Amino acid sequence: AQTVTQSQPEMSVQEAETVTLSCTYDTSESDYYLFWYKQPPSRQMILVIRQEAYKQQNATENRFSVNFQKAAKSFSLKISDSQLGDAAMYFCAYRSADSADGLTFGKGTHLIIQP
Amino acid sequence: GAGVSQSPSNKVTEKGKDVELRCDPISGHTALYWYRQRLGQGLEFLIYFQGNSAPDKSGLPSDRFSAERTGESVSTLTIQRTQQEDSAVYLCASSLGRGNSYEQYFGPGTRLTVT
Repeated sequence: AQTVTQSQPEMSVQEAETVTLSCTYDTSESDYYLFWYKQPPSRQMILVIRQEAYKQQNATENRFSVNFQKAAKSFSLKISDSQLGDAAMYFCAYRSADSADGLTFGKGTHLIIQP
Repeated sequence: GAGVSQSPSNKVTEKGKDVELRCDPISGHTALYWYRQRLGQGLEFLIYFQGNSAPDKSGLPSDRFSAERTGESVSTLTIQRTQQEDSAVYLCASSLGRGNSYEQYFGPGTRLTVT
């Protein structure tokens, strides 16, 4: 079974600064997808960014980018120019390429933005 | 258009009672997923539907849990003889299809408290 580990329960960053959230995973599969989701207090999960394991190029979405290290099984999220609206829980998630099952999530990192 | 909706938003029930949680997916989404999120934890995948068929029910925590879906619309998650350990937020997600190329859109969840 796959596991996803987020070792930082909480992170704090000054507004406009850059922060990196860590995620590692364990799998024996070679083809899979990785995701970062944001969960604000409203509880609604929002997809931030997605990475296909077969792609070497790191995914980027505006201020959000990932550092995907397949050999190390590491998938960190970098948020540049942090904004107050970025404050939320962030979850890393994994899904097999050939699976129709749901996502496997880490326990999350609570991101605090200091004004 | 309307997103995924769930009802009730919050439910408090006494131990031993049955509860029914409802999910209305985005219109046209054939795949539907149920997750459980315990306090301070990531999401735990429970079950998915492709149309009204649930090929794999092994993710349901116990035989007290069951789920149904009517066609490609509403789904209900039923918990019989609730226990305090069932207290959690239950999240539903839907997607156009079941593959990884289809984003899962989440509802706001139902917070279940068993007293």
